[in-house]
Parts: sequence; structure tokens; C-alpha cells
Amino acid sequence: DAKTTQPNSMESNEEEPVHLPCNHSTISGTDYIHWYRQLPSQGPEYVIHGLTSNVNNRMASLAIAEDRKSSTLILHRATLRDAAVYYCILRLFQGAQKLVFGQGTRLTINP
Amino acid sequence: DVKVTQSSRYLVKRTGEKVFLECVQDMDHENMFWYRQDPGLGLRLIYFSYDVKMKEKGDIPEGYSVSREKKERFSLILESASTNQTSMYLCASSRPVAGVYNEQFFGPGTRLTVL
Repeated sequence: DAKTTQPNSMESNEEEPVHLPCNHSTISGTDYIHWYRQLPSQGPEYVIHGLTSNVNNRMASLAIAEDRKSSTLILHRATLRDAAVYYCILRLFQGAQKLVFGQGTRLTINP
Repeated sequence: DVKVTQSSRYLVKRTGEKVFLECVQDMDHENMFWYRQDPGLGLRLIYFSYDVKMKEKGDIPEGYSVSREKKERFSLILESASTNQTSMYLCASSRPVAGVYNEQFFGPGTRLTVL
């Protein structure tokens, strides 16, 4: 499984945008980039995924570098409820079903 | 609202006991997974199942077994619990639809302590 590298922790202020980076220099052409997050005392939840193009949904945006070696999860207006550990995961789209979680980034939101 | 439920949030067992962790999903998903989560090691896959009575080993299956007799239920069994199996256990499910991304839905987790 290709590896991802994320900062251990980040801090931001409420109602400001947050950019969470992820490096995946060994990504292959068939790897999709997935983001999950884990709120305190809960199981992980899906946030967003993409292959090459930037993606938007109601939770966040995913910006993917042209060479696909890095990506950024964007929370447009962080709230206190966005404080969580965010995981960037690579996975073959139709390959093995398992998710390989790294250490993730612990995001703290200041009021 | 889609749901994955786990039988207990907290469980305390003694070394050598047989432990059953139960997971039930109400989304008619074919795939079900068991992970454990430990500080500094992240989530690691123990076993998964892609159909009733089918199972596949994950990355750390030693000391565990699983059972899937019904589609909605996936059980994780610790045959003889040991202290190094003290951990947070997370169950997840997904639907393997060809050509469509199938996100995994996670339960709230069971924090197991083995004394």
C-alpha cells in the first residue's frame, strides 16, 4: 500500500479556513485519495475522495496537485465541531476493500 | 440514518477469557470489517468479510477469529484474551458496488480492557 505523510497536528481558529496537507509521492495511477476524520470518542467517518480533479462536497473540498504527489483537504469555515483527527488514505478504487490508516493530523480549533 | 452498532462501548475481561465483540449494521452491506486502534499505531485491520460465511485475514489476525452467520452481523472472537489485546475495537461496513466508491461506515467502537 502506498504511504501518505501528514503533519501530526495543526491548529486553527473558528470560522477561518483550514488547509490540511498530505504528501503521497509514491501514489500510483490507480490510487484514489480518500479522507476520513475521527471525532473524539467516535469511529472514523468519510469526508471526501478524488482521483485527479479537485472535488467539493458539503463537508469539504479536496485539492489534488497536478502530479498527484500531494493533496490538500480544505475546510472552508472551521467550526469547533471540526476538531478531529484527519486521515489521508490511498486505495485502489476497485482493489482491496481495506483502508490503511496512517497517524493522521490532529486538528484543534480555537474559539 | 445508516447505522453500525457495537454491542458494548466498554468491556473489561480477564486474561484467558473468551471474548465476543458483536457488530450489527442495518444497511444491507456485503462487506464488514474489524479494526483495532492503538495510540501511535493508528487503525489496523484484523479481519474482514465480503459475504456471509466468508472471511479474509487482515494485517493482524493472530489471536482473533471471526464469525459471519448473517449478513448484518459480524462477530470478533478473542479465543483466550491477553493483556496485549487491550485496545479500541472498531467495526465498519461497506457495499461493494462496481464502479462506484463505497465508503466505509464505522461503529462507535468498543474499548476492551484485559486484566
